[in-house]
Amino acid sequence: TQLLEQSPQFLSIQEGENLTVYCNSSSVFSSLQWYRQEPGEGPVLLVTVVTGGEVKKLKRLTFQFGDARKDSSLHITAAQPGDTGLYLCAGRLNTGNQFYFGTGTSLTVIP
Amino acid sequence: EAQVTQNPRYLITVTGKKLTVTCSQNMNHEYMSWYRQDPGLGLRQIYYSMNVEVTDKGDVPEGYKVSRKEKRNFPLILESPSPNQTSLYFCASSLRGLENSPLHFGNGTRLTVT
Repeated sequence: TQLLEQSPQFLSIQEGENLTVYCNSSSVFSSLQWYRQEPGEGPVLLVTVVTGGEVKKLKRLTFQFGDARKDSSLHITAAQPGDTGLYLCAGRLNTGNQFYFGTGTSLTVIP
Repeated sequence: EAQVTQNPRYLITVTGKKLTVTCSQNMNHEYMSWYRQDPGLGLRQIYYSMNVEVTDKGDVPEGYKVSRKEKRNFPLILESPSPNQTSLYFCASSLRGLENSPLHFGNGTRLTVT
């Protein structure tokens, strides 16, 4: 059982549509990070959220950390083909130094 | 250029033949880590190191060994590889193992064990 579950696992949408990816856990995290991974490459950090209820915006991407610090969401407005990739959430529990990654959401944006 | 370098990128081997995947970073990072990536499971941590001579098990350490004799290098050793270790492996580093330190990843090593 994964500590961080992402949904949906696969998402295929038309260019210009909006979408939301969810990252859920029953555990409390001290922070959560979101990464994007493209084929043949390692994941690249998009954002870190630290405070419960925090909202961060990165151009058309909006990230939210749940009030209880157990979940997070990524919302993309007006998706573009360049947004295609695997989106991964990751976090560290209040104790320990392990980073736990989510199960991943594979996004395809069709032109 | 700041980077994490893994070698080799692709490796095909047979069951039981010892192998080492190298990882090197040039950013003077204290924290280094190995992950394996399998479809539907995301990245699972194998081992991590907070600093030189300090290593700890992650979620899936069975069948793997690591060492951290120098700050820049963190090799992953499979003493007796088995087919269930066929996977895509990533090395990552960060300045420190803190929540606001981003992880920098290598480009991966695709391992096939037959």
